[in-house]
Amino acid sequence: DSGVTQTPKHLITATGQRVTLRCSPRSGDLSVYWYQQSLDQGLQFLIQYYNGEERAKGNILERFSAQQFPDLHSELNLSSLELGDSALYFCASSRTGSGEKLFFGSGTQLSVL
Amino acid sequence: AQKITQTQPGMFVQEKEAVTLDCTYDTSDPSYGLFWYKQPSSGEMIFLIYQGSYDQQNATEGRYSLNFQKARKSANLVISASQLGDSAMYFCAMRSYNNNDMRFGAGTRLTVKP
Repeated sequence: DSGVTQTPKHLITATGQRVTLRCSPRSGDLSVYWYQQSLDQGLQFLIQYYNGEERAKGNILERFSAQQFPDLHSELNLSSLELGDSALYFCASSRTGSGEKLFFGSGTQLSVL
Repeated sequence: AQKITQTQPGMFVQEKEAVTLDCTYDTSDPSYGLFWYKQPSSGEMIFLIYQGSYDQQNATEGRYSLNFQKARKSANLVISASQLGDSAMYFCAMRSYNNNDMRFGAGTRLTVKP
């Protein structure tokens, strides 16, 4: 158990809908990262937060947004969903914002039908 | 920009044999870390081993070792005495100290044969 909690584990929804994925980092970790894993794109970095502030941005679509709350949990919002958004979404955390290894949650499997 | 290359989509190894999974990287940052993660069929990402760019010795963690060749920008993972439970996807990743995100290679699927 990595200590990173992601909910829900599975999510099935329809095109055009909006969903929210939730992540609680390990106790004491200030930084949260979101990754998308699909068969054709591999593991893609989406966005990072550190202590409530956005720190780095990767290949995140404009339809997607995220935030980190004062209690350090984070949410990834996906809107106007398309079939191609179906993927495994990982949250990871680290104690600081740079250099060290990431601890991954078990992921949220999103299926857009 | 950082780039991680894993050229082996799939590898097979006989149980109890050693196997090397290749990873090359490209970065202009002088200070960075290299990581290997394992992803079994259950889907979770499991950290295996870390190598810092300034570390003089190759990292080892049990049956895992990292063959770090800085001049060639390679960070190959060596798994000794393979076990059936080693069958999984293996990802090489890099994180520079100037950039905050960790970038991953495409992965190598390892299958251990009994």
